[in-house]
Amino acid sequence: KAGVTQTPRYLIKTRGQQVTLSCSPISGHRSVSWYQQTPGQGLQFLFEYFSETQRNKGNFPGRFSGRQFSNSRSEMNVSTLELGDSALYLCASVGVPGNTEAFFGQGTRLTVV
Amino acid sequence: GQQLNQSPQSMFIQEGEDVSMNCTSSSIFNTWLWYKQDPGEGPVLLIALYKAGELTSNGRLTAQFGITRKDSFLNISASIPSDVGIYFCAGRNIQGAQKLVFGQGTRLTINP
Repeated sequence: KAGVTQTPRYLIKTRGQQVTLSCSPISGHRSVSWYQQTPGQGLQFLFEYFSETQRNKGNFPGRFSGRQFSNSRSEMNVSTLELGDSALYLCASVGVPGNTEAFFGQGTRLTVV
Repeated sequence: GQQLNQSPQSMFIQEGEDVSMNCTSSSIFNTWLWYKQDPGEGPVLLIALYKAGELTSNGRLTAQFGITRKDSFLNISASIPSDVGIYFCAGRNIQGAQKLVFGQGTRLTINP
């Protein structure tokens, strides 16, 4: 069974640009959560999707958005990038909400210059 | 956002020593998860705990779900070099949905 796949692994963008990150959950899993990880703030919850609907949202500005497709793949978008958006973005895959064993992808390392 | 209090923040030990770390919360949790993260990789699930008082082992790792539901600990026995990494606890609040709350992590360094 393939694990959680995140693409791309690494990304360098300049301030003001936008970026789209992709996550394919484990086959059969229908819930995807996104987290931002920085050395100073640890793992911060961004949002969670299940069946193409956003179920939970963290305390991030509106520049951060996401969506989920009918095949459970998810994307997150960050617009008007700021230097502080540099981080490791992690996607977690869960079977269904309520099943709390979350499995993470390798992450996308975003660097904003 | 809300985080668990995980301690210690870092540990420097000799190979072969035992390790203990813990997480506490002001809220009750109905699930505790322990993860290990290697540099540049995503966290890998080590142990999942679902019942207060539950004690679960995974090889040299042992974790317990505190009876108050507000804490959990992870022990590593006879540490080896590949145990190096950052260990995270994560909890799910009984009133939450799928959102996991994470501790700040314990960075483990082992001197051979």
